[in-house]
Amino acid sequence: NAGVTQTPKFRILKIGQSMTLQCTQDMNHNYMYWYRQDPGMGLKLIYYSVGAGITDKGEVPNGYNVSRSTTEDFPLRLELAAPSQTSVYFCASSYGGGDTQYFGPGTRLTVL
Amino acid sequence: GNSVTQMEGPVTLSEEAFLTINCTYTATGYPSLFWYVQYPGEGLQLLLKATKADDKGSNKGFEATYRKETTSFHLEKGSVQVSDSAVYFCALSGNQAGTALIFGKGTTLSVSS
Repeated sequence: NAGVTQTPKFRILKIGQSMTLQCTQDMNHNYMYWYRQDPGMGLKLIYYSVGAGITDKGEVPNGYNVSRSTTEDFPLRLELAAPSQTSVYFCASSYGGGDTQYFGPGTRLTVL
Repeated sequence: GNSVTQMEGPVTLSEEAFLTINCTYTATGYPSLFWYVQYPGEGLQLLLKATKADDKGSNKGFEATYRKETTSFHLEKGSVQVSDSAVYFCALSGNQAGTALIFGKGTTLSVSS
């Protein structure tokens, strides 16, 4: 099993550009999550999904969108990039709510 | 709401020293508690967990006990190694649908030989 994979590993965007961060898991987990990690601030939840076709907002959803058309994939979309979105983004998955979450390697995004 | 507070870092130790990283939490109900570790340039990996009061999680020489009376889940290791240098995150998760992890801010551990 590859676990949770994320692409790209690094990306630099200009203000106002858009992009999609990809996340795929091969563990047949129902739950998937997107977090952002800012220096010294721990991780904050952006969006989560409890199954295909079902998504919900987390603590910091503004400026992001998600979709969950399959169990395996949970892409995160940034429509109009802003410097405040400079961060490291982690995707995670778990079998159920409250279960151990498995993390991808992260995407380091810089918006200039 | 639910929250996690862990000791500020960085923590700097010599090899074979004893490690304690404090973690306390505020939560309603009966959360599960976790310690995750993040090595430089990598994602988070589960280190250990406990799902109910008085449970002890352990892995790779690390231990933590779920103390409901003190709302704590302190991480300990008797003898640290240089390879333990990393950022350690305490986290909690309620046992409800869609519950994500709530993380502490992380504690950086540096071990020198």
